[in-house]
Amino acid sequence: GAGVSQSPSNKVTEKGKDVELRCDPISGHTALYWYRQSLGQGLEFLIYFQGNSAPDKSGLPSDRFSAERTGGSVSTLTIQRTQQEDSAVYLCASSPTGGNTEAFFGQGTRLTVV
Amino acid sequence: AQSVSQHNHHVILSEAASLELGCNYSYGGTVNLFWYVQYPGQHLQLLLKYFSGDPLVKGIKGFEAEFIKSKFSFNLRKPSVQWSDTAEYFCAVSNNAGNMLTFGGGTRLMVKP
Repeated sequence: GAGVSQSPSNKVTEKGKDVELRCDPISGHTALYWYRQSLGQGLEFLIYFQGNSAPDKSGLPSDRFSAERTGGSVSTLTIQRTQQEDSAVYLCASSPTGGNTEAFFGQGTRLTVV
Repeated sequence: AQSVSQHNHHVILSEAASLELGCNYSYGGTVNLFWYVQYPGQHLQLLLKYFSGDPLVKGIKGFEAEFIKSKFSFNLRKPSVQWSDTAEYFCAVSNNAGNMLTFGGGTRLMVKP
């Protein structure tokens, strides 16, 4: 009965390196979201997966960002050639059927690019 | 595309003061509305939600929100705040097509004891 699980909880990486952030949604939830929360900023939408539909990637800030969701469950957000401005808390959320139901959030991954 | 505006970025209140946080959205169709709260060091959690029915929605910890369709608003209220209400509050909207959840920029509330 666990909630949304994200790993790692903290990640420090050197500028230019690639990072992978993982999200385990609540079992059975068809919708999965990635958001970014920067210091002093709100929640910036990144990408949305809903069932077998093509993901909504409209929020990805650049082509260095990509995400996959394998088997309709676990999702990985990949940031290539990280930059200092990528430093933020990356939040994952899942919901049972999509935007018309409550989204449950993970604790987030705090990414620091040095 | 839907969008959400929270006009108050920072609010400072004394305990027992009344609270109202503004939220306006832009979307012409049927919407679902949410308020989420993030207490210091904790993850985002749902405070209350509106899907249909009575436009005055009551949530946890004495919070309530009123959906006013004509004003595209869903303001959050609490008659008497406590120090423990210090947190960041986010308004969010989705549509009935099951599309994504869009968040406002958040309001940081600080309640002075």
